[in-house]
Amino acid sequence: GDSVTQMEGPVTLSEEAFLTINCTYTATGYPSLFWYVQYPGEGLQLLLKATKADDKGSNKGFEATYRKETTSFHLEKGSVQVSDSAVYFCALSDSSGNTGKLIFGQGTTLQVKP
Amino acid sequence: DSGVTQTPKHLITATGQRVTLRCSPRSGDLSVYWYQQSLDQGLQFLIQYYNGEERAKGNILERFSAQQFPDLHSELNLSSLELGDSALYFCASSVETSGRNEQFFGPGTRLTVL
Repeated sequence: GDSVTQMEGPVTLSEEAFLTINCTYTATGYPSLFWYVQYPGEGLQLLLKATKADDKGSNKGFEATYRKETTSFHLEKGSVQVSDSAVYFCALSDSSGNTGKLIFGQGTTLQVKP
Repeated sequence: DSGVTQTPKHLITATGQRVTLRCSPRSGDLSVYWYQQSLDQGLQFLIQYYNGEERAKGNILERFSAQQFPDLHSELNLSSLELGDSALYFCASSVETSGRNEQFFGPGTRLTVL
């Protein structure tokens, strides 16, 4: 079945550092890809998405490109802030049928130090 | 605020008991999803309803059941609770059932089984 693999955390960076969180997926069809962020004590919020190959999703300085050839959707940000500290989840929508269920990676904790 | 509400926020109960978690989707959203977040299993899809009908089932135990009512709110019933059922349970909603649509997550219900 479909699956998502994320780089293990935690990732600790200094403010203004460059961020990359790797995400690769396995899918039989053509899923949409998402990055969700979870701040402490809160639910998940959509950060960005891409619905087809070569699409680039971007939001709040974060971006990720849907790469079908490498089955990847890596998250990047040029200059992180302390406020970006959170858990980041890569996810894909079920590619096997007409459902919207999401399959998540294990999550990557990001800690940004001033 | 995502517009998705979940009650209660916290629930503490004993093994063998039964509990009901409630979710109200965003206004206009027809699809409701339930997810379980635990330390060992990560974020897992449980079940999806669309306009009152079950649309997809994931790794949901037979002791768990759900329904979506005519007013589109949903309830997740967990019975014969075990220690391992302790987790954060999220509800999410989306406009329709396509995998391209963003899902909006509620703040979650934290269930502790003692």
